[in-house]
Amino acid sequence: KAGVTQTPRYLIKTRGQQVTLSCSPISGHRSVSWYQQTPGQGLQFLFEYFSETQRNKGNFPGRFSGRQFSNSRSEMNVSTLELGDSALYLCASSLSSGDGYTFGSGTRLTVV
Amino acid sequence: GQNIDQPTEMTATEGAIVQINCTYQTSGFNGLFWYQQHAGEAPTFLSYNVLDGLEEKGRFSSFLSRSKGYSYLLLKELQMKDSASYLCAARGSANDYKLSFGAGTTVTVRA
Repeated sequence: KAGVTQTPRYLIKTRGQQVTLSCSPISGHRSVSWYQQTPGQGLQFLFEYFSETQRNKGNFPGRFSGRQFSNSRSEMNVSTLELGDSALYLCASSLSSGDGYTFGSGTRLTVV
Repeated sequence: GQNIDQPTEMTATEGAIVQINCTYQTSGFNGLFWYQQHAGEAPTFLSYNVLDGLEEKGRFSSFLSRSKGYSYLLLKELQMKDSASYLCAARGSANDYKLSFGAGTTVTVRA
């Protein structure tokens, strides 16, 4: 079965711009989580969605937002990009909260 | 809050055994995950423990002690392809849907 699909794989943006990243979970998975991975901070939780509702949010500024659609696909948006937002953004999906999370290959965002 | 600690690096010889320890302090606890991540790739799920004890899956085993806030991942019969970062992650209470990750342990397997 198809895994978690994230698009685009690579992205270069300029400071001050905004960006939208997309995640398509495994078919049937209703929970989608987003994480930011950087060499210095490791994997940091951004937010989690289930059935179009945000259930949990990490400690990131309001510039980071997300949403989930009725088909469980999710998007995250980062506005007013800063150099420090350069990172690998990973999406993970799971069937329910008790299952393992399957990660996508990520979107590598570079802010210049 | 959540605090997850694991060693930064470990080196072992092909065919040997390596044990990666993870200690956690969480405001609630509902499971401990281990993931493997090769450089430039996504983390892949290895194991999930929610009850005390040892879970064995082929060459990989994971152990959990909830009372001690401690887990380990045991890699047996090491192969070169096992060179990767191993991430320990804890989930808080049953209504907490996020994973709190440790910084990862980079395992290098030498011939």
